[in-house]
Amino acid sequence: QVQLQQSGPGLVKPSETLSLTCTVSGGSVSSEHDYWSWIRQSPGKGLEWIGHIYDSGNTNYNPSLKSRVTISRDTSKNQFSLKLTSVTAADTAVYYCASPRASRFDSWGQGTLVTVPS
Amino acid sequence: QSALTQPASVSGSPGQSIAISCTGTSSDVGGYDYVSWYQQYPGKAPKLMIYDVSSRPSGVSNRFSGSKSGNTASLTISGLQAEDEADYYCISYTSTSTPVFGGGTKLTVL
Repeated sequence: QVQLQQSGPGLVKPSETLSLTCTVSGGSVSSEHDYWSWIRQSPGKGLEWIGHIYDSGNTNYNPSLKSRVTISRDTSKNQFSLKLTSVTAADTAVYYCASPRASRFDSWGQGTLVTVPS
Repeated sequence: QSALTQPASVSGSPGQSIAISCTGTSSDVGGYDYVSWYQQYPGKAPKLMIYDVSSRPSGVSNRFSGSKSGNTASLTISGLQAEDEADYYCISYTSTSTPVFGGGTKLTVL
């Protein structure tokens, strides 16, 4: 089964850009059949889909975050990444990377708590 | 895309069966057999319990089962155990090729 390892800072200042990376083992971010997703969970709240990258680098994003989100991949490092710009305290959450389908997530990263101080 | 509707909480006694519903529309739950269910313990990543409405991944107890009728999917847990106490989420594929999530259900084992 695919394993996902997340990395990135746990503290981001307001108005700055949140950047996280997910390193994939046991699978390939270049796979034409797999989707590589980012999901977040605000403290005490439910899961929220952020977006995914798939196929030849196509992306889909949650409409509520679309103007601030970019998901990209580095095939040479077998990684995919999340950038969220202009963060506020409302973006404080545990961020997860997940795979392998658009709406089915067998594999999850360990989660990264990202705090944006108010 | 509106979130799928789940009850905020359900409860049951050990040994009993409970069901958690997940209601959507014909553009998501009702239109595709791509509903999945996840179990989440506090501080942990979600775990896939059911996919494609009623399929169970290897290693998941057969006490967990899934079904769908119209725009509503359901997760049933039989022979309830203390370790089943957790949050449960449903997710469905949608007509926009993106997922839609349920709001989550807290299961309490009395």
